[in-house]
Amino acid sequence: DSGVTQTPKHLITATGQRVTLRCSPRSGDLSVYWYQQSLDQGLQFLIQYYNGEERAKGNILERFSAQQFPDLHSELNLSSLELGDSALYFCASSPGRDETQYFGPGTRLLVL
Amino acid sequence: GENVEQHPSTLSVQEGDSAVIKCTYSDSASNYFPWYKQELGKRPQLIIDIRSNVGEKKDQRIAVTLNKTAKHFSLHITETQPEDSAVYFCAATPYGQNFVFGPGTRLSVLP
Repeated sequence: DSGVTQTPKHLITATGQRVTLRCSPRSGDLSVYWYQQSLDQGLQFLIQYYNGEERAKGNILERFSAQQFPDLHSELNLSSLELGDSALYFCASSPGRDETQYFGPGTRLLVL
Repeated sequence: GENVEQHPSTLSVQEGDSAVIKCTYSDSASNYFPWYKQELGKRPQLIIDIRSNVGEKKDQRIAVTLNKTAKHFSLHITETQPEDSAVYFCAATPYGQNFVFGPGTRLSVLP
């Protein structure tokens, strides 16, 4: 157990819908990262937050957005969902900005 | 920006043999190189890491070597076991930047 929690574990929804994924970092970690992993693919970096502020953006679609709250938990919002958005979404956290990242168990999203 | 290549993409070894996975990176400013193991449907787990001021690091059956001049680093697994079967990802990170992951290597350890 890495100490990073993600909810829900599984999510099934329909095209065009909107979902919110939640992540709680390890105690004391200030950075939160979001990754997308499609079937048999690598880890695609989406976005990073550090102490409440957006710090870096990767290959994140405009339909996706995220935020980090004062208690440091983070939410990833996915809207106007398409079939291709079906994937595992991982959250990771680290103490600072460029330190070891610890991954949560992931949320498996299925868009039908 | 940083670009990380990883080879081979798939690797099959007999139980008890050694496995080697190699990654190359492009940004000479990269200074931290972690390796993650991901079992099917599970989260990536850090198995070993190395910083640029160290040439080699070992933890039981796992070792990582770093060649800064050639900009490559390798994961070595000795005495492989069936539970070593997984996808392995390397990553490189320039100071103050985000991880750039390699595409992964699927390791199969055959009994």
